[in-house]
Amino acid sequence: AQSVTQPDIHITVSEGASLELRCNYSYGATPYLFWYVQSPGQGLQLLLKYFSGDTLVQGIKGFEAEFKRSQSSFNLRKPSVHWSDAAEYFCAVGPLMIKAAGNKLTFGGGTRVLVKP
Amino acid sequence: GAGVSQSPRYKVAKRGQDVALRCDPISGHVSLFWYQQALGQGPEFLTYFQNEAQLDKSGLPSDRFFAERPEGSVSTLKIQRTQQEDSAVYLCASSLAYRDIGGDTQYFGPGTRLTVL
Repeated sequence: AQSVTQPDIHITVSEGASLELRCNYSYGATPYLFWYVQSPGQGLQLLLKYFSGDTLVQGIKGFEAEFKRSQSSFNLRKPSVHWSDAAEYFCAVGPLMIKAAGNKLTFGGGTRVLVKP
Repeated sequence: GAGVSQSPRYKVAKRGQDVALRCDPISGHVSLFWYQQALGQGPEFLTYFQNEAQLDKSGLPSDRFFAERPEGSVSTLKIQRTQQEDSAVYLCASSLAYRDIGGDTQYFGPGTRLTVL
């Protein structure tokens, strides 16, 4: 069965510092990989996604993620964090082919990011 | 354009009551998903519709949970005889998914926070 692990439950970072959130996955086939952000009281917003091609993916809000097949990882990074980046971040995997099962996503447990002024 | 909307945003129910949660997907989106997000955890898949057909309900935790999408647009998640363990945020998502290849972006609503006393 597929699974997604986000080892860090909380991360505190100073404004202007760099941020890296870890994500490891276990999947039977090559999945789609996603990063979502959830702000308080808001729905999940897609930051970026990856299937193939360049292993460094650019997303919105200055985020990027790097896929490493050998490590089954898809870590999210931002070079300089803004106070508005304080939120919860979720890594997710989805199937390559929908077929009848739908494009359901399997999420990690999330990493809460706190930004210090 | 309008995103995914959900109502009510908050629902308090006494144990044993029935509740109905509504989801209005983005117009024209074929696929609709329900997820359950317990406190401090990532969302977990409940069920999936393609138009009006419920193609996957493998994530519904018990037969007290029932979902429908009779006209292929609005969906309702019903929980009968609510229990305390049903307390969670229920997220709805929709996607175009007009093809069999995965990776279509799922757009999430703000969720309904259900508290069962």
